[in-house]
Amino acid sequence: DAKTTQPTSMDCAEGRAANLPCNHSTISGNEYVYWYRQIHSQGPQYIIHGLKNNETNEMASLIITEDRKSSTLILPHATLRDTAVYYCIAGPSGGGADGLTFGKGTHLIIQP
Amino acid sequence: GAGVSQSPRYKVAKRGQDVALRCDPISGHVSLFWYQQALGQGPEFLTYFQNEAQLDKSGLPSDRFFAERPEGSVSTLKIQRTQQEDSAVYLCASSLRTSGNTDTQYFGPGTRLTVL
Repeated sequence: DAKTTQPTSMDCAEGRAANLPCNHSTISGNEYVYWYRQIHSQGPQYIIHGLKNNETNEMASLIITEDRKSSTLILPHATLRDTAVYYCIAGPSGGGADGLTFGKGTHLIIQP
Repeated sequence: GAGVSQSPRYKVAKRGQDVALRCDPISGHVSLFWYQQALGQGPEFLTYFQNEAQLDKSGLPSDRFFAERPEGSVSTLKIQRTQQEDSAVYLCASSLRTSGNTDTQYFGPGTRLTVL
């Protein structure tokens, strides 16, 4: 799996959009970008994934640059419950049935 | 519906003891994974099952670690002769389909193992 680089921590005001960056400059053509988050004392939770195109679901939006070397996870209206560690993972095409390679992630703190 | 469950949630063992950690995946999920998460770190892959077959055990740190899924549903991770460095949260995840498909992994709450 390609290596990813994320900031260690970020703050965001409640109600504002949280934009979490991720660099994956060595990503290969068939590797997807996955985002998971882990709230304190819980297991990781899937958020979203994409290959080339931008993606949106009920939780977040994923913006992938045209060269696929970086991406941004957007939480449009952050709430206090979004405080968590967010992991960006560049994984094989069979990401659902291959072991995920987590890094240290970004600790996102939503401020009231 | 029911998610992935793990038991016990907390386990304290004396150094040298054997422990067994249980994972109940989501019903019907073909793939099952075990991860180890040390304090302040992201989860690290240990092993992967497709039904009852253990297809990848490359992440198991030593031969003291053993996992099984004999009937293709419940899985047990066993650690023999526990050491202090085994202290971590052990996470189980399951997914519906097999390799070659992009599919979500659903994680359990984990078992926190403390070796004294």
